[in-house]
Amino acid sequence: AQKVTQAQTEISVVEKEDVTLDCVYETRDTTYYLFWYKQPPSGELVFLIRRNSFDEQNEISGRYSWNFQKSTSSFNFTITASQVVDSAVYFCALSSSNTGKLIFGQGTTLQVKP
Amino acid sequence: GAVVSQHPSRVICKSGTSVKIECRSLDFQATTMFWYRQFPKQSLMLMATSNEGSKATYEQGVEKDKFLINHASLTLSTLTVTSAHPEDSSFYICSHPGLARETQYFGPGTRLLVL
Repeated sequence: AQKVTQAQTEISVVEKEDVTLDCVYETRDTTYYLFWYKQPPSGELVFLIRRNSFDEQNEISGRYSWNFQKSTSSFNFTITASQVVDSAVYFCALSSSNTGKLIFGQGTTLQVKP
Repeated sequence: GAVVSQHPSRVICKSGTSVKIECRSLDFQATTMFWYRQFPKQSLMLMATSNEGSKATYEQGVEKDKFLINHASLTLSTLTVTSAHPEDSSFYICSHPGLARETQYFGPGTRLLVL
């Protein structure tokens, strides 16, 4: 069975702090994809990143960075120098390469205070 | 990326009525679409897979007779919540996979409130 766990329900930081959102997944598939989405209050999902199971290179995009470690089945997301606009719910998700169905984690609510 | 629209964006209805939500793929012929549901302060849960020209497949625990899915064309899937009740109040989001199923293109979602 596939499962995604985001143990942090809520995180509150002060602007300019760095923050890491944790994601641990379970799957028996050898080929799979991992995602991070941002969901602002409007509800619309904003795609942040996709990683396939064969690519363990870490990625940086501006203030965002991702650390994918298959050995620990983790796909953590770090925001450097957080801003108030980063306040949102962040979801980690997993999909099988066969079906495209997404299994979402519980979500982490990030509040960045000025 | 592909563009997906949903209509309506927000709907309020009385208990016992039926509500239809449309999901359109504006620039991609989607043989498969997914419907997710998100209750307040919870995660997104897959409800069903909508297959063009054939019956939808439902996830465990989702009543197929209550949530009717029709995927009559490659650009349109509809979800009808029949005899809606207050516990059906939720955020409904559709999506379709890309060509290689590597990614998903999500609609903006529909907020349903059943009074």
